[in-house]
Amino acid sequence: GESVGLHLPTLSVQEGDNSIINCAYSNSASDYFIWYKQESGKGPQFIIDIRSNMDKRQGQRVTVLLNKTVKHLSLQIAATQPGDSAVYFCAENMNNFNKFYFGSGTKLNVKP
Amino acid sequence: GAVVSQHPSRVICKSGTSVKIECRSLDFQATTMFWYRQFPKQSLMLMATSNEGSKATYEQGVEKDKFLINHASLTLSTLTVTSAHPEDSSFYICSAKSIRGLGGYTFGSGTRLTVV
Repeated sequence: GESVGLHLPTLSVQEGDNSIINCAYSNSASDYFIWYKQESGKGPQFIIDIRSNMDKRQGQRVTVLLNKTVKHLSLQIAATQPGDSAVYFCAENMNNFNKFYFGSGTKLNVKP
Repeated sequence: GAVVSQHPSRVICKSGTSVKIECRSLDFQATTMFWYRQFPKQSLMLMATSNEGSKATYEQGVEKDKFLINHASLTLSTLTVTSAHPEDSSFYICSAKSIRGLGGYTFGSGTRLTVV
């Protein structure tokens, strides 16, 4: 299914703090997930991905957690920097259907 | 890496006219491309899947005759917004499936369409 966002919630954090962005996905059959970062007026930029056979994956300063029981994803950003300010979306994919549906998004505002 | 170019980046058109947006894969062949629409402060909404050499597959609620998609080559998909109205003003983004793209998909930089 497709999740439609009617507004963007905002998360404000202080520079250097850790950020946690949450996402509820819609389809229990989804087996692949990506977190994207979108800056104003630009296309989405890949951050990190995770498959449904995992519950945690770490990248550089970022960690994605997957809870399939409650259909929930989170993105943790360590030592948040002003350059991290953007809108973050999770996207879910069902391999059989070869396409992604985006979650509603969260705007991250990093205060210097 | 895999690069997708979208053109134009911004376009203003008069109500009732048609606008064509191009999505090109620059360094790879893309048999499948996707078109998204994004309204201000909202998420990306999948409009259609563009398949090279065959008809596009549209998501429920998207008008096929209004949003014409042509994927005539392995590197180019076009979206034509026909008889545009102010409510069609939006940010249109394409993506291409590529094994070289991070996550398997590469996004274009988007086209800001304003219908006046």
